[in-house]
Amino acid sequence: SQKIEQNSEALNIQEGKTATLTCNYTNYSPAYLQWYRQDPGRGPVFLLLIRENEKEKRKERLKVTFDTTLKQSLFHITASQPADSATYLCALDIGGGGATNKLIFGTGTLLAVQP
Amino acid sequence: DAMVIQNPRYQVTQFGKPVTLSCSQTLNHNVMYWYQQKSSQAPKLLFHYYDKDFNNEADTPDNFQSRRPNTSFCFLDIRSPGLGDAAMYLCATSREGRALYGYTFGSGTRLTVV
Repeated sequence: SQKIEQNSEALNIQEGKTATLTCNYTNYSPAYLQWYRQDPGRGPVFLLLIRENEKEKRKERLKVTFDTTLKQSLFHITASQPADSATYLCALDIGGGGATNKLIFGTGTLLAVQP
Repeated sequence: DAMVIQNPRYQVTQFGKPVTLSCSQTLNHNVMYWYQQKSSQAPKLLFHYYDKDFNNEADTPDNFQSRRPNTSFCFLDIRSPGLGDAAMYLCATSREGRALYGYTFGSGTRLTVV
């Protein structure tokens, strides 16, 4: 069956440390993988997109890696701050483009950054 | 600011009483999506419109319907809400099917069924 798995337990880290979140998937072949941030009671907010032929993507303190052989993406936040505390969702872009294309989401990992 | 707006933010409806949730966008995106998200679960795609073309997910119950009268507006109709339909309903848009710039989500409507 098709699955997207993210750490179900909350990740607690100290301010200033690097947070690393994992996204594993099975039986999908996404051309793109995206990461979103979701705060309680709000809609997800787009952070980063990485293509299947890219190994790594960076944006300010954020870094995403994508290993299509392992079927895994890692999401890093360096120099983490309490304001980074939120749920982070991994999403796979599937459907081959066009009218049937869509994003399938993982359940997300709750990150708590302690001051 | 260009955005996706969902109304209302909170909706309480009675068991079995039809309810409509609305979504509007000022981004002029051609694709609009409806997701259902229950507590601590992944957002689950219900259906989407690519322009005027409706695409239903295979496991979306018949109880859920959608309308898109124009580019800017999209509605989610729940014909006979059950207790299991209580959830956050999220509307999202993208510029085209392949979301190279990510999806833009609204703030969601929290539906309670009593």
